[in-house]
Amino acid sequence: DAGVTQSPTHLIKTRGQHVTLRCSPISGHKSVSWYQQVLGQGPQFIFQYYEKEERGRGNFPDRFSARQFPNYSSELNVNALLLGDSALYLCASSLESGFLGDTQYFGPGTRLTVL
Amino acid sequence: DAKTTQPNSMESNEEEPVHLPCNHSTISGTDYIHWYRQLPSQGPEYVIHGLTSNVNNRMASLAIAEDRKSSTLILHRATLRDAAVYYCILRDFREGDDKIIFGKGTRLHILP
Repeated sequence: DAGVTQSPTHLIKTRGQHVTLRCSPISGHKSVSWYQQVLGQGPQFIFQYYEKEERGRGNFPDRFSARQFPNYSSELNVNALLLGDSALYLCASSLESGFLGDTQYFGPGTRLTVL
Repeated sequence: DAKTTQPNSMESNEEEPVHLPCNHSTISGTDYIHWYRQLPSQGPEYVIHGLTSNVNNRMASLAIAEDRKSSTLILHRATLRDAAVYYCILRDFREGDDKIIFGKGTRLHILP
């Protein structure tokens, strides 16, 4: 079975640009979460979506937005990119709400570099 | 916010047991304790989780203190492939937000 897939694997953008990152969850999983991991630090929670609705939001500015589609895939959008947005963006899927004991399965991530 | 505290790094010899501690003094009654690990250049990987009782699986064991304010991940026989950053995670649910907070993690070094 295919695991969580993310695209693209690497991306280079310049300050002020917009970026869209994509995630396909494991088949049958309804919940998708997004994390940002800056080099040398642990992942920071950005969003969780379940059944196409936002279920959780971390402390990120409004430049960050996301959505989940009817097939449960998800997009993370970041507007007006800053140098500090350079990071590994991780997507995780889970069967149900994403926590309360449910296991999250992570994708390999998208490495975003902002110049 | 619920938070975890872990040592920055630990070292262990190959084929010996490893005990990775985590403190979570602000844990609430319904929070689950999860452990994930992240190998170099990979996304985090689930290791184990529990609520109140100790748990075992093929990868590791999780020992949870009676007051639930701390837990310990136990690798029974470390191998070189266990070298990774280990994260202790709590679910933080306040005001309708389903926040998930990673600890800073413990970098585990395995010596051959």
